[in-house]
Amino acid sequence: GAGVSQSPSNKVTEKGKDVELRCDPISGHTALYWYRQSLGQGLEFLIYFQGNSAPDKSGLPSDRFSAERTGGSVSTLTIQRTQQEDSAVYLCASSLGSAGRVQYFGAGTRLSVL
Amino acid sequence: AQTVTQSQPEMSVQEAETVTLSCTYDTSESDYYLFWYKQPPSRQMILVIRQEAYKQQNATENRFSVNFQKAAKSFSLKISDSQLGDAAMYFCTYSVETSGSRLTFGEGTQLTVNP
Repeated sequence: GAGVSQSPSNKVTEKGKDVELRCDPISGHTALYWYRQSLGQGLEFLIYFQGNSAPDKSGLPSDRFSAERTGGSVSTLTIQRTQQEDSAVYLCASSLGSAGRVQYFGAGTRLSVL
Repeated sequence: AQTVTQSQPEMSVQEAETVTLSCTYDTSESDYYLFWYKQPPSRQMILVIRQEAYKQQNATENRFSVNFQKAAKSFSLKISDSQLGDAAMYFCTYSVETSGSRLTFGEGTQLTVNP
């Protein structure tokens, strides 16, 4: 099968607008992660989904960020009222459970907030 | 705090030569997993090699091998017979199950391979 797919590849938005980023994990992968890659902060964890368990949201930088995972598959990361500091590459990864399993990454969404 | 340090922001190597990328980490956990990922300009992270902390034997994957020193919390990557396609940003990372196996990343080392 296909790898992790993310859309859109690039997104340009105006400050204050809401954006939605989508991630299609590898079929059968129960764990899904979102990371953010920015020049100032490097790579940082945002949120983690594992099966039907409550997500680990401890990495979300503010309450403007939220994510959901429907049917244990597709995930959407939503950023409300975008700010310029939200500009970054948002990476999604999936794995067969956790416990040291390899995470497979998508190509990311580059978000630019003007 | 759990951290990963890559002290070499940039490295270069001649094609067919060997290069070693350094990484140190800090965790209070006894059971964890270490990884090296590469990120070419296409942005997609690609696994290079994986090491379980409970295994003393160093992992190898074709031209890639690691020198894992658990007591020193060191996890360096050796690339032998470097190829032009090895040019990329390399990230040292680790995960612990108690944190949902999220990856903690180093700052990265940009590797240039000269023909």
